[in-house]
Amino acid sequence: EAGVAQSPRYKIIEKRQSVAFWCNPISGHATLYWYQQILGQGPKLLIQFQNNGVVDDSQLPKDRFSAERLKGVDSTLKIQPAKLEDSAVYLCASSPYWDSQGSYEQYFGPGTRLTVT
Amino acid sequence: DAKTTQPNSMESNEEEPVHLPCNHSTISGTDYIHWYRQLPSQGPEYVIHGLTSNVNNRMASLAIAEDRKSSTLILHRATLRDAAVYYCIDEKLTFGTGTRLTIIP
Repeated sequence: EAGVAQSPRYKIIEKRQSVAFWCNPISGHATLYWYQQILGQGPKLLIQFQNNGVVDDSQLPKDRFSAERLKGVDSTLKIQPAKLEDSAVYLCASSPYWDSQGSYEQYFGPGTRLTVT
Repeated sequence: DAKTTQPNSMESNEEEPVHLPCNHSTISGTDYIHWYRQLPSQGPEYVIHGLTSNVNNRMASLAIAEDRKSSTLILHRATLRDAAVYYCIDEKLTFGTGTRLTIIP
């Protein structure tokens, strides 16, 4: 079974530029997550989709970050404009389903390392 | 909000059991506890999860306290490949900084 795919693996941009990341979850997984992991910290959930609807985006900086999951399959995360503090690894994960109790497991992709200069 | 706390780091000798603790005193009675680990330059990897009773799988065992305020991840026989950062998380998906496990050959 293929895992969660992400691209690109690395990206270097200048501040105020825009960038987009792509994620293809495991086939059949209804739930998709985007996390931000700053060096030395644990992953922080940015947004969670159930099929193509948003379950939680409370920690997404909506003035500059946006995400979509068209047709309930793959997803893109965009940053516009980027700031220096956005330098981090952006992780995508998927799970077969979601419930409020957390009785599911997540499968993570390798991440995209973003450097903003 | 539910929150988990873990020691920043632990060391263990190779081929010995490892017990990684986690406190989650504010977790609700119906929410699962999950454990993930992250090797350098990789995304987190699912290890195990449970609700009330002890759980076992091919990777580890999870012992959950009767009052559910804490749990312990047990690696029965540590190998060098188990060196990673281990995260205990609740249903709110808050990872924290985890426990960095070092395995001594």
